[in-house]
Amino acid sequence: DAKTTQPNSMESNEEEPVHLPCNHSTISGTDYIHWYRQLPSQGPEYVIHGLTSNVNNRMASLAIAEDRKSSTLILHRATLRDAAVYYCIQETSGSRLTFGEGTQLTVNP
Amino acid sequence: GAVVSQHPSWVICKSGTSVKIECRSLDFQATTMFWYRQFPKQSLMLMATSNEGSKATYEQGVEKDKFLINHASLTLSTLTVTSAHPEDSSFYICSAIPGPIPGSTQYFGPGTRLLVL
Repeated sequence: DAKTTQPNSMESNEEEPVHLPCNHSTISGTDYIHWYRQLPSQGPEYVIHGLTSNVNNRMASLAIAEDRKSSTLILHRATLRDAAVYYCIQETSGSRLTFGEGTQLTVNP
Repeated sequence: GAVVSQHPSWVICKSGTSVKIECRSLDFQATTMFWYRQFPKQSLMLMATSNEGSKATYEQGVEKDKFLINHASLTLSTLTVTSAHPEDSSFYICSAIPGPIPGSTQYFGPGTRLLVL
C-alpha cells in the first residue's frame, strides 16, 4: 500500500518559512510525490509535485531526498491563508492518489 | 489552474432515495475522473476511477451497485448513490485529469455534501 507518514500538526508564524516533512519509505522509482492542501468543506487544492529533482513553483518548493524515501514541502513565507491540512501523497498506478491523514498547519499572526 | 465543478453543492434526501452528483471539467477534456468521499475530520478516501467510455474501476470495499458511476463524455462524470441511507451521508469530491499519465495533476471539484435523513 502506498502510505506516507506526516506529523499530525505543525505551527508557524506569519511571514516565516514552513517546512512540512513527509516519509514515503515504500516509494518505487516511478511513483510521483504530490502535495495538496485542503480547507474545511472545500476540495483539495494542488500545491506541487515531483519525481526526483527538487521543484519550485509560485506556491512552494519541494525538496526530495536523494533516496526518495522522504520529502519536504517548503512554504517560503507563511500567510494566514496558508493555514490548511496539507497532504503528501504517493501516486500509484493509473494516476491514483491515496490520501493519508495529512498535517494540519496553523499559522499564527 | 484547470476548473472542475460539481453539482449540486449540497443535497438533503430521504432514506431509500437515489441521489445523482455531477462532476464537470470546464476547461479541459478529462479522460479520467476520480470519486472520493470524506467523513468529518477524516481524510479523503478514493472510491473509484472513472474512464470515459468504459466501466468504472472501484476500490476494494466500495460497492459498485451502491455507487453507480457513469462517464459518458470527456467533460462529465456522474455518481449516483442508490437507495441512500444515513451512513452514506458524507462529503463527495471528484477530481479530473486529461488522461492517466504518471505525474498528472488532479484538479478537484469543490465537493458535494450529502445528508441522508
